[in-house]
Amino acid sequence: KAGVTQTPRYLIKTRGQQVTLSCSPISGHRSVSWYQQTPGQGLQFLFEYFSETQRNKGNFPGRFSGRQFSNSRSEMNVSTLELGDSALYLCASSWGQGYQETQYFGPGTRLLVL
Amino acid sequence: GQQLNQSPQSMFIQEGEDVSMNCTSSSIFNTWLWYKQDPGEGPVLLIALYKAGELTSNGRLTAQFGITRKDSFLNISASIPSDVGIYFCAGRTGTASKLTFGTGTRLQVTL
Repeated sequence: KAGVTQTPRYLIKTRGQQVTLSCSPISGHRSVSWYQQTPGQGLQFLFEYFSETQRNKGNFPGRFSGRQFSNSRSEMNVSTLELGDSALYLCASSWGQGYQETQYFGPGTRLLVL
Repeated sequence: GQQLNQSPQSMFIQEGEDVSMNCTSSSIFNTWLWYKQDPGEGPVLLIALYKAGELTSNGRLTAQFGITRKDSFLNISASIPSDVGIYFCAGRTGTASKLTFGTGTRLQVTL
């Protein structure tokens, strides 16, 4: 069974640009969550999508947005990039149905903003 | 954003030694999780705890869900070189997929 895949793995952008990251969950999983990992703030929850609807949201500005498609693949978008957006962006997938289920993380997309 | 307090921040130990790390929170969680992250990879789940007071083992790893539901502990026995990495605790409330992560413990194992 294929794991969670994220593309691209590495990305370099400049301030003011926008970026779109993609996440393909494990087959059958309907929940996709996104996290930002930085040395200063650690791992922070961005948002979760389940059945194409945002089900949960963290404390990030509106420049961070996401969506989920009918095949459960998810994208997150960051507009008007800032230097502080440089981070490892991780997505995690799960069935999304119960409290004892496991979230599986992808390898992440490392974004560098210059 | 919120992070759980995890200690120690880093550890340098010799192969064969036992390791202990803990995680504390000001909030109550009904699920505690322990993850390991290797360089360039996403976190991998090691142990999941669902009940206050629960003690769970996974090979050389043992974790406990604190009775107050505000803390958790992870022990690694007889450490080996492949135990090197960063260990994170994470708490979850309800069925939500939102995880609140700890600050991480970096483990180095010397031969």
